[in-house]
Amino acid sequence: EAQVTQNPRYLITVTGKKLTVTCSQNMNHEYMSWYRQDPGLGLRQIYYSMNVEVTDKGDVPEGYKVSRKEKRNFPLILESPSPNQTSLYFCASTIKGGDEQFFGPGTRLTVL
Amino acid sequence: AQSVAQPEDQVNVAEGNPLTVKCTYSVSGNPYLFWYVQYPNRGLQFLLKYITGDNLVKGSYGFEAEFNKSQTSFHLKKPSALVSDSALYFCAVRDITDKLIFGTGTRLQVFP
Repeated sequence: EAQVTQNPRYLITVTGKKLTVTCSQNMNHEYMSWYRQDPGLGLRQIYYSMNVEVTDKGDVPEGYKVSRKEKRNFPLILESPSPNQTSLYFCASTIKGGDEQFFGPGTRLTVL
Repeated sequence: AQSVAQPEDQVNVAEGNPLTVKCTYSVSGNPYLFWYVQYPNRGLQFLLKYITGDNLVKGSYGFEAEFNKSQTSFHLKKPSALVSDSALYFCAVRDITDKLIFGTGTRLQVFP
């Protein structure tokens, strides 16, 4: 089944404790991205990647890191999480120039 | 800069009645417009797109959208609403980096 998976689905952590949210897709898509969803703000892009070893900042990259060592994986790293990073996070993928983006199920992160 | 606006936070409609969820856009050049739906505890799902061609676009689950260039609108419509259509709907525009720029979302509530 074609899908985008994210782990964990739910995470509660404390300020300053490094964490990684994994994202994996099995559709051989070149393009992957991370979004955060906050009430009243919709979804905002954090980082994106056009292909392996090619990443770039989105609209709200501060406090986040990403890497793209393999085509299928695009982890999101929070080196020192803060409460303002409490949010719902979505990973998405598509072929380059593709119309439809495929979204993962989301990761709800709470930073205390 | 590209942007979309969804003027209604919530739309309420009775089952069987037609529904409209509004979206207006601001883009330079030709717009690439999308509608996505988010069911509770799920990721976003693609509904339909407008790239070029007919102004009336048909999508999944009986939804359609009307592109109006003079009014810079891309409203989502369905002739007869179902209770199962209740969800969060996002309008989006794609920019030249393939990033999706989302509206703030409209919650559709269909009452039996």
